[in-house]
Amino acid sequence: AQSVSQHNHHVILSEAASLELGCNYSYGGTVNLFWYVQYPGQHLQLLLKYFSGDPLVKGIKGFEAEFIKSKFSFNLRKPSVQWSDTAEYFCAVQGDNDMRFGAGTRLTVKP
Amino acid sequence: EAQVTQNPRYLITVTGKKLTVTCSQNMNHEYMSWYRQDPGLGLRQIYYSMNVEVTDKGDVPEGYKVSRKEKRNFPLILESPSPNQTSLYFCASSLGRRGKLFFGSGTQLSVL
Repeated sequence: AQSVSQHNHHVILSEAASLELGCNYSYGGTVNLFWYVQYPGQHLQLLLKYFSGDPLVKGIKGFEAEFIKSKFSFNLRKPSVQWSDTAEYFCAVQGDNDMRFGAGTRLTVKP
Repeated sequence: EAQVTQNPRYLITVTGKKLTVTCSQNMNHEYMSWYRQDPGLGLRQIYYSMNVEVTDKGDVPEGYKVSRKEKRNFPLILESPSPNQTSLYFCASSLGRRGKLFFGSGTQLSVL
């Protein structure tokens, strides 16, 4: 069955700490991969996406993600988080007809 | 400004009273979709539409209807809402069936 798994439900970090959020997927066929961010009270906004080419993609606000095909993973990273990164992060996998989302990871950054 | 517009932003209703949540996009996108967001479950797709008069079920279509009579509009209809449909709903659109999704601001629905 097609699925998207995000390993961490809630992550709490101090400012300047490094971040890595895990995402694994199970999907037949060619996929596009996304990370979306939802700030409190707002709608989802695209952080970054992977369609093809270099498996290391850079997004907005210093975020990056690496597609590892053999592991069916697309982990999100940021070297040094800020308080303003407090939000919920969703990994998404897009197939031919739909886009499936993970359950989300809530990130809390302490000042 | 390119955007997806949902209305209303908040809605409180009672069990069984039919309601419609509107969604409109001004980007001439072919693909539109409805999601519901619930804590711990992420976003789950309700229905999607590849183009005018073409709609398909997503993962959780029960209790919902949609229509796509015009390219820009994709309303979500709850014929007889129930409390388990209390959720945050998002409409989204993209240029093709594969591409970046643009999301609306969301509709927080409470069914009492």
